[in-house]
Amino acid sequence: NAGVTQTPKFRVLKTGQSMTLLCAQDMNHEYMYWYRQDPGMGLRLIHYSVGEGTTAKGEVPDGYNVSRLKKQNFLLGLESAAPSQTSVYFCASSYGLPIDEQFFGPGTRLTVL
Amino acid sequence: AQKITQTQPGMFVQEKEAVTLDCTYDTSDQSYGLFWYKQPSSGEMIFLIYQGSYDEQNATEGRYSLNFQKARKSANLVISASQLGDSAMYFCAMRVLWNQGGKLIFGQGTELSVKP
Repeated sequence: NAGVTQTPKFRVLKTGQSMTLLCAQDMNHEYMYWYRQDPGMGLRLIHYSVGEGTTAKGEVPDGYNVSRLKKQNFLLGLESAAPSQTSVYFCASSYGLPIDEQFFGPGTRLTVL
Repeated sequence: AQKITQTQPGMFVQEKEAVTLDCTYDTSDQSYGLFWYKQPSSGEMIFLIYQGSYDEQNATEGRYSLNFQKARKSANLVISASQLGDSAMYFCAMRVLWNQGGKLIFGQGTELSVKP
């Protein structure tokens, strides 16, 4: 039982390059989330999904796209990276009640030069 | 609007002493969950403890307890018998299911340093 895994762990991009971050969970959770964490701040929601084939925007969605073709995977894409997207990205998953803990992946540290 | 406020950017505590990390929240919803997460310098988010809005008893998990005062909208984390390994960032968070898929709303965190 691996929990929530993220690929890659680190990445350096040049401005304008694209990349995809992969999140996978093996807990059969319906809900999945992508957050970003900037220095000295808590996490902020980028996009989320409440089930396979569904996605929706969070607080800071600009510059990102997501897809959830399979229940266990949630992909975050950057089409044209900008320095403002330098951050640590966390994926999380959970069942669907307020009492349910969100399980976090280890994070991806992205630097855009 | 939902909001979490952590007013202590940094805290120091002597090893083996107890420490309280403050958290206040704002929501008009009746059903919500309150969480504390620990983030060590290695960066991962570690779940510590949960309190439901309808729970009448304060939550406890080992050395962690949550002092839940609903009328004051506070959910302070108490760590008893601090250890050096407790040095980390601590985040208070709230979850309301109808809000953006039940996202977690985080405070800005408190950095705890445990002194030997």
